Amino acid sequence: GESVGLHLPTLSVQEGDNSIINCAYSNSASDYFIWYKQESGKGPQFIIDIRSNMDKRQGQRVTVLLNKTVKHLSLQIAATQPGDSAVYFCAENRGRTGGGNKLTFGTGTQLKVEL
Amino acid sequence: GAVVSQHPSRVICKSGTSVKIECRSLDFQATTMFWYRQFPKQSLMLMATSNEGSKATYEQGVEKDKFLINHASLTLSTLTVTSAHPEDSSFYICSASTDSRNTIYFGEGSWLTVV
Repeated sequence: GESVGLHLPTLSVQEGDNSIINCAYSNSASDYFIWYKQESGKGPQFIIDIRSNMDKRQGQRVTVLLNKTVKHLSLQIAATQPGDSAVYFCAENRGRTGGGNKLTFGTGTQLKVEL
Repeated sequence: GAVVSQHPSRVICKSGTSVKIECRSLDFQATTMFWYRQFPKQSLMLMATSNEGSKATYEQGVEKDKFLINHASLTLSTLTVTSAHPEDSSFYICSASTDSRNTIYFGEGSWLTVV
């Protein structure tokens, strides 16, 4: 079936380096994407989102890139800090006709920041 | 502060008993709430969509008679795990949405341990 998946289950980076977390999706009807950060034992925390009519969106230290041609989403974290260590999920919203505000989550990437 | 609150955050129950988890929207009216289950080191899996004033919509493979959902008001949805078994032990997370499909808030999750 259609799904949202990630290329790398674990990513280790040095403090201060940039991190790139990737996500592949297969549903061409998806028109809204969200990145979440989840710390151990806590609920998902919104990081940044992007609509399908955009290919890039920037936030504070984070940038999301969307390539609809290859159905690929990435999250870039600049100057990664120890507090960025967490599991990162991409999620897709297929729009109201496809299920309202239901989100389909990817498998997640564990980001480990090494000092 | 939190805009979606879950209670309890942790609960231990005996096998065969039922346990109720509450999800409350604190600062807004949530026409739709979603219940997810997350096993350790896995992604969030949508269980059901809870709509205020109507029956919940369950995802394929989720037993509606085992996971009872009630959305009696615009600020409260409850998930009752009936006749709990050890395999029901998991992290249960709710999210709440307003009519605007871009506004999705997650609770902090509830750890259920069935012994």
